[in-house]
Amino acid sequence: NAGVTQTPKFQVLKTGQSMTLQCAQDMNHEYMSWYRQDPGMGLRLIHYSVGAGITDQGEVPNGYNVSRSTTEDFPLRLLSAAPSQTSVYFCASRITVNYGYTFGSGTRLTVV
Amino acid sequence: AQSVTQLGSHVSVSEGALVLLRCNYSSSVPPYLFWYVQYPNQGLQLLLKYTSAATLVKGINGFEAEFKKSETSFHLTKPSAHMSDAAEYFCAVNPNTGNQFYFGTGTSLTVIP
Repeated sequence: NAGVTQTPKFQVLKTGQSMTLQCAQDMNHEYMSWYRQDPGMGLRLIHYSVGAGITDQGEVPNGYNVSRSTTEDFPLRLLSAAPSQTSVYFCASRITVNYGYTFGSGTRLTVV
Repeated sequence: AQSVTQLGSHVSVSEGALVLLRCNYSSSVPPYLFWYVQYPNQGLQLLLKYTSAATLVKGINGFEAEFKKSETSFHLTKPSAHMSDAAEYFCAVNPNTGNQFYFGTGTSLTVIP
């Protein structure tokens, strides 16, 4: 089992550029989420999905889009990168409400 | 609104000493509670979880946590710290009435030889 796979691991963007962070899981989990981790702020939820075709906003959704066309994939799109989006991004999945998340290894994004 | 508070952003203990990392939550109903560990440059790994069964929960690497409803707490303990326990620890709450998952701001554990 690969678990949750995130690509790329590192990325540098210029302000205004767009990109997609990829996330795939092979555990047939219904729930998937994107978090960003910033020093002293813990993990903050960006967007989440409770199944294919269903997504919703989390705590900090501005500047990000998501879609969930399959159970396995949950890409995160940065529409127009800003320095404030410099962060470490984690994708996570879980099978149901009372189970913990399985996390990917993260994408470290720097916007210059 | 749900929240998770971790008291102490940095905790230092001597090798072999007791580890105590504090977590308090606010929730209108007993939630599901979790502790995660994050080693440098890695993702988060589940240590243990409380899902309304036994109030004392045992996890991996010798860690355990006790759910105390009256204190709205879920503190993480380990009787004897090991150098390999040095990491960032996150408490998380999943209110069983919703889909969101809330994390604390984390506690960095340093183990002194």
